[in-house]
Amino acid sequence: GQNIDQPTEMTATEGAIVQINCTYQTSGFNGLFWYQQHAGEAPTFLSYNVLDGLEEKGRFSSFLSRSKGYSYLLLKELQMKDSASYLCAVRDKAGGGNKLTFGTGTQLKVEL
Amino acid sequence: DTAVSQTPKYLVTQMGNDKSIKCEQNLGHDTMYWYKQDSKKFLKIMFSYNNKELIINETVPNRFSPKSPDKAHLNLHINSLELGDSAVYFCASSQVPSGGASDTQYFGPGTRLTVL
Repeated sequence: GQNIDQPTEMTATEGAIVQINCTYQTSGFNGLFWYQQHAGEAPTFLSYNVLDGLEEKGRFSSFLSRSKGYSYLLLKELQMKDSASYLCAVRDKAGGGNKLTFGTGTQLKVEL
Repeated sequence: DTAVSQTPKYLVTQMGNDKSIKCEQNLGHDTMYWYKQDSKKFLKIMFSYNNKELIINETVPNRFSPKSPDKAHLNLHINSLELGDSAVYFCASSQVPSGGASDTQYFGPGTRLTVL
């Protein structure tokens, strides 16, 4: 089975930087995804890591350490529209290789 | 030009009824999925089909039956609806089922099911 842990809620200030952590345990790691989900909407893809290190995409970056079972999503220059839930998801080699298990999500609130 | 679409967006029904949710993707993807997101926002895989073949079948009551008439469509039929079935159901699709580097899942807008 898999355990995925991420904080339930975080609050940050507009213009600041916030780091959302995710720890996981899995027997057949095959990649880690971050998704953003605004209230009442579908999850949308943000980033993907399968090798150790940092992946940067504009204001968003994601880091992975496979040996530590750890990832973080870094959001820079926060904007009010970044207020959303951020879902960490781990892909497992079981189930045809594309089974995603999601964490419970981190609800980020950006304040003025 | 919607990538993954679902109908209906909202579904309110009585306990015991049978209902279906439809999903279509125009991305040319081979694999489609159904997820359930409960009131605590926990998103959990239910089923996955690759080219009309079932490849993931999580522990889901057999009242739930997916059907894939072709690789662009994956419908979900639910028999004898129960109160606990109330949730948001998301359809998703991806290019290939093997978990390659670019095999990202894209989600539909969701169907909010309320069972009274």
